[in-house]
Amino acid sequence: NAGVMQNPRHLVRRRGQEARLRCSPMKGHSHVYWYRQLPEEGLKFMVYLQKENIIDESGMPKERFSAEFPKEGPSILRIQQVVRGDSAAYFCASSPPGIQGELFFGEGSRLTVL
Amino acid sequence: KQEVTQIPAALSVPEGENLVLNCSFTDSAIYNLQWFRQDPGKGLTSLLLIQSSQREQTSGRLNASLDKSSGRSTLYIAASQPGDSATYLCAGNAGNMLTFGGGTRLMVKP
Repeated sequence: NAGVMQNPRHLVRRRGQEARLRCSPMKGHSHVYWYRQLPEEGLKFMVYLQKENIIDESGMPKERFSAEFPKEGPSILRIQQVVRGDSAAYFCASSPPGIQGELFFGEGSRLTVL
Repeated sequence: KQEVTQIPAALSVPEGENLVLNCSFTDSAIYNLQWFRQDPGKGLTSLLLIQSSQREQTSGRLNASLDKSSGRSTLYIAASQPGDSATYLCAGNAGNMLTFGGGTRLMVKP
């Protein structure tokens, strides 16, 4: 059973470009979470999704950021018109159904904005 | 709003010592508490999950306890080894998300 798969592992973008980060949850997991870790800071919740539904996006910046988890395929975190402050590690986690499920994290996608 | 605090922020010990990492949370209505390990530049590895109905969990040299009434969890590492050097994160699950503490950076010196 493969773990949570994230790609790309490293992404470099220039200011104003778009960044797309992908996450495939563990087999059998229907819940996906995105977290952001800024340099020298802790992990901050961004968004919680189930298939075709955004359940909680209270941690998402109001502009430029969006997330989806389609019926088929990976979850996508999309950042439009990136700025230097978006440089961070973006982690995806998945869990099985149920509110007490253990979360398993991917290796992260490290975005650098030049 | 759940807030999670970890003390100390950094810890350096000689190899072989037993040590305790502390985690406190403000909202006792948590479903579970999870401890993770993060190595530099890497993702998070789940170490232990304690459900709200449990008081502790053990895995090898690791033991984690949970006291909901006082809002505290501790991670006990026995006979520490240099390979234990990493950042240890605790996170409380109060529904839709895990709320993370700032972590404890552990250095075990040979």
